[in-house]
Amino acid sequence: KQEVTQIPAALSVPEGENLVLNCSFTDSAIYNLQWFRQDPGKGLTSLLLIQSSQREQTSGRLNASLDKSSGRSTLYIAASQPGDSATYLCAVNNNAGNMLTFGGGTRLMVKP
Amino acid sequence: NAGVMQNPRHLVRRRGQEARLRCSPMKGHSHVYWYRQLPEEGLKFMVYLQKENIIDESGMPKERFSAEFPKEGPSILRIQQVVRGDSAAYFCASSPRSSNSPLHFGNGTRLTVT
Repeated sequence: KQEVTQIPAALSVPEGENLVLNCSFTDSAIYNLQWFRQDPGKGLTSLLLIQSSQREQTSGRLNASLDKSSGRSTLYIAASQPGDSATYLCAVNNNAGNMLTFGGGTRLMVKP
Repeated sequence: NAGVMQNPRHLVRRRGQEARLRCSPMKGHSHVYWYRQLPEEGLKFMVYLQKENIIDESGMPKERFSAEFPKEGPSILRIQQVVRGDSAAYFCASSPRSSNSPLHFGNGTRLTVT
């Protein structure tokens, strides 16, 4: 059974810092891994999707890496801004369908 | 291009009543997924549907819960005889195909059982 863990559970940084969020998973036989952002009271916004054959994906100030063999992914946020404050969720897809296994999330606060 | 639409946003039911949650996927998406987020817990997969078919319901409780995605109209998640433990945020997501495409989530329905 796949288990996904995110560390840290919460993170508070001053504006402008570069930061790394970590995600680990127990079953390396994955189809893909997705990073999402969730704002309070809202749904999830897909940030990046990394296929199992890929090592990283980039979108703007975000860069996600995947090391399938070690069961790890990181989300790197460059030059953080207060608008980046949200909960970041890592989710792993083990199946042909999109039945994702989610981590518990990292609550990020970027202080002005 | 409207995203995934869920309604209602908030739903309050007394114990024993029925709750019906609706989800309209993004235009062009034929795959629908329901997830539940219990208080202080992570998101958990419940059920995966395509038009008129349940593909995987391994995450759905065996009793009181059912889901459908008819040929016409939205997907419905139905909870009969609700109990306090059903209080949660229920999220619907859709994708254009079954795998290797990002999921698009709705804003969720927050169910409160009193």
